[in-house]
Amino acid sequence: KQEVTQIPAALSVPEGENLVLNCSFTDSAIYNLQWFRQDPGKGLTSLLLIQSSQREQTSGRLNASLDKSSGRSTLYIAASQPGDSATYLCAPGKAGTALIFGKGTTLSVSS
Amino acid sequence: EAGVAQSPRYKIIEKRQSVAFWCNPISGHATLYWYQQILGQGPKLLIQFQNNGVVDDSQLPKDRFSAERLKGVDSTLKIQPAKLEDSAVYLCASSSLHPTPGLAGPNEQFFGPGTRLTVL
Repeated sequence: KQEVTQIPAALSVPEGENLVLNCSFTDSAIYNLQWFRQDPGKGLTSLLLIQSSQREQTSGRLNASLDKSSGRSTLYIAASQPGDSATYLCAPGKAGTALIFGKGTTLSVSS
Repeated sequence: EAGVAQSPRYKIIEKRQSVAFWCNPISGHATLYWYQQILGQGPKLLIQFQNNGVVDDSQLPKDRFSAERLKGVDSTLKIQPAKLEDSAVYLCASSSLHPTPGLAGPNEQFFGPGTRLTVL
């Protein structure tokens, strides 16, 4: 049974810092992994999708890496901004099946 | 491309009452998911449809929850009777096996805004 752990559970940083969010999962036989952002009271917004054959994906100030064999993924946020404040969720998945989520990392960026 | 639509956005009911949620997935997405997200937790799958067939409902409390996806497009999730512990956000998501260049990868899931249910 897949279990997903995200560390840290919460993070507070001043604006401009580069930061890393960590995700680990127990079953490395995954098809892909998605990183999501969730604002309070909102649904999930897909940030990055990494296929199992890929090592990383980049979108703007976001970079996600995947080490499938060790069951780890990291989300790197460069030059953080107050608008980045949200909960970030990682979710590995197998082909055609539901995603398994961790509890997320709640990020607060102060100006 | 329009996103996943859900309604209502909020619902407050008394315990033992019934409630229904509606979801319209992204056009062309064959796979539809209903997730339950309890405060402070990540979403957990309730049921997955492929077209109008059920793929996985192993975590659906079938004594009180039911879901259908008629014609393989819209879906409804119903709770009857509701319990206090059903208070949560109900999220609908959809995906396609086939990638859309520049927009979506294969099996990339897109979520709706959710329905926040409060059971008193």
